[in-house]
Amino acid sequence: AQSVTQLDSQVPVFEEAPVELRCNYSSSVSVYLFWYVQYPNQGLQLLLKYLSGSTLVESINGFEAEFNKSQTSFHLRKPSVHISDTAEYFCAVSVRMAGGFKTIFGAGTRLFVKA
Amino acid sequence: DTGVSQNPRHKITKRGQNVTFRCDPISEHNRLYWYRQTLGQGPEFLTYFQNEAQLEKSRLLSDRFSAERPKGSFSTLEIQRTEQGDSAMYLCASSSRRDTEAFFGQGTRLTVV
Repeated sequence: AQSVTQLDSQVPVFEEAPVELRCNYSSSVSVYLFWYVQYPNQGLQLLLKYLSGSTLVESINGFEAEFNKSQTSFHLRKPSVHISDTAEYFCAVSVRMAGGFKTIFGAGTRLFVKA
Repeated sequence: DTGVSQNPRHKITKRGQNVTFRCDPISEHNRLYWYRQTLGQGPEFLTYFQNEAQLEKSRLLSDRFSAERPKGSFSTLEIQRTEQGDSAMYLCASSSRRDTEAFFGQGTRLTVV
């Protein structure tokens, strides 16, 4: 069975500091990997995804994640965070099912950026 | 198109009452998903439609829960005889055949008192 583990439930960090949000997955088949962000009282927004090819993927707002197959990890990083990055971040895997796919989420990591 | 739309955004109901939520997917998305998100947890998969056919249901979807997508467009999720444990955010998502990810609505927050 596929599963996603986010190792930190909360990550407090000062503005302009670097941050890493950790994610490990387990799957016996090839998967797609995602990071979603959820701002307060809003739905989930896709931040970035890994499908195949280059193991380093980037988002438009400075986040990046690296797929590591041997360690079954997909950690999210940003070299310098802003107050506006405060949100809940969910790592997810997408696995095939009948006629489509379903997305399995981790429990989330709450990133809190302090001034 | 404004994305996936869910109504209502918030619902407070008394224990034992029935509630129904609606989801309007992005136009021409043939795939529709329902998830449930409780406080401090990630979304959990409930069920999946391809057009009007319900192709998969999680064991989380007890017999008090029923979802429909009668014309392959909007979907409804009904919870009968609500319990306090049903309090959660119910998220709907949709995708097309060529998409590799699902697009989420803003959710319906249910509070059972």
